[in-house]
Parts: sequence; structure tokens; C-alpha cells
Amino acid sequence: AQSVTQLDSQVPVFEEAPVELRCNYSSSVSVYLFWYVQYPNQGLQLLLKYLSGSTLVKGINGFEAEFNKSQTSFHLRKPSVHISDTAEYFCAVSVLTGGGNKLTFGTGTQLKVEL
Amino acid sequence: SQTIHQWPATLVQPVGSPLSLECTVEGTSNPNLYWYRQAAGRGLQLLFYSVGIGQISSEVPQNLSASRPQDRQFILSSKKLLLSDSGFYLCAYRKIGGGYYEQYFGPGTRLTVT
Repeated sequence: AQSVTQLDSQVPVFEEAPVELRCNYSSSVSVYLFWYVQYPNQGLQLLLKYLSGSTLVKGINGFEAEFNKSQTSFHLRKPSVHISDTAEYFCAVSVLTGGGNKLTFGTGTQLKVEL
Repeated sequence: SQTIHQWPATLVQPVGSPLSLECTVEGTSNPNLYWYRQAAGRGLQLLFYSVGIGQISSEVPQNLSASRPQDRQFILSSKKLLLSDSGFYLCAYRKIGGGYYEQYFGPGTRLTVT
């Protein structure tokens, strides 16, 4: 079975500063990796995904993530955050099964951007 | 383009009452459908998924059930709600074919059991 670990439950950062949200996963088979963002009382929105190919993937809102197979990590980065980036961020791993793919989520990281 | 709807948006129900949450998807055929629950301050727990009409897989034992009466309709039900059923319920879909592995989420239903 696969699992996802987001070690940081909360990350405070000042506006215009860079940020990195960490995600590590474990799986015995190849995986697909995702980052989602959730604003209060809303559903999850896909930020970016890694399926194959280039290990650096770019997503919406200026976010990017790098897949590191040897370290089993998929950290999310943004060079300069904005107040509007305040939200909860979830890392997820997907494994194709005979019954359709399922996502396993981390417990989330609350990003709080301060002035 | 595809759209996913959930209703109601919020619901307050007494313990022991029945529950019916509905999810519909537009713009894609034969999607995989999923129900998740998000408890306060916690991650997402997969409750049910479906790969076709009438095909439901349960991920955790509970007093909830799911049904898929039509290709793009997914319903979450309970005969008698428990306090522990409170949470934010999210429906999601995955498009079939074309190398789509990500899931797209609806706006969610906030359920409070009193």
C-alpha cells in the first residue's frame, strides 16, 4: 500500500517570500503524484501533477514541484507568495488498480501568508 | 468542459435521521466516481468509489452506503446518522481514457449531525 507524509502541518511565511511545502511518499510500485489546494469551505483544486517525463512540473498560480525518485519526494515550491495563496495544500499519490485509480492523500499543510 | 455538482451545500441533521447527498457530473461519460469525507483538521478519507453504474466499492466499514443509479450520478446515503458522521463530504470524478489520472472535486457538502 502507498502512503503520503506531509511533515509540516502549518507553514507561516511573509508575502513575497519563497516557500516550500514538503511531501514524501512510499510505494512499492510506480506512482503518479499530485498537489491540490483547498480554500476554506471549498472543494479541492488541482495545482499540478507528475505522471512521467520531466521531473520538474509547473502548475497554476506560479507553483512548481520536483519529483525526486531516489528521495521519494515531491516538494511544492513558489518563489514569491501572495496573500491569496493562504490555503490548505494536499499532496496525493495515485496507483492504478484493477478497480480504477485511487488517491491517497497526506494530512495537509496549512500555508499562512502574512503581510 | 466538465462540471461537477454537489447538493446540498450545507446540511444540519439530528442523530438517527436519514441522509442523502447527491453528486452529478456533466461533460464526460462513464467517469470513475468517488466519495470522500474530510473531518475537521484532518485529511481526506476515501469512502466509496465506482467504476460504472451499479458498481460500488467500499473502502471503510461504516453506516454509510453509496449508489450509482445513472452514469453520472453518485449518491451517498445513511439510514441513521451518527454524531461521528459530521464532516465535509466531497465527491470527485476521474475521466476515463486519454491518460487522465487526476481527480476533479466538487464544491462539497458540510454535514453537521446534532
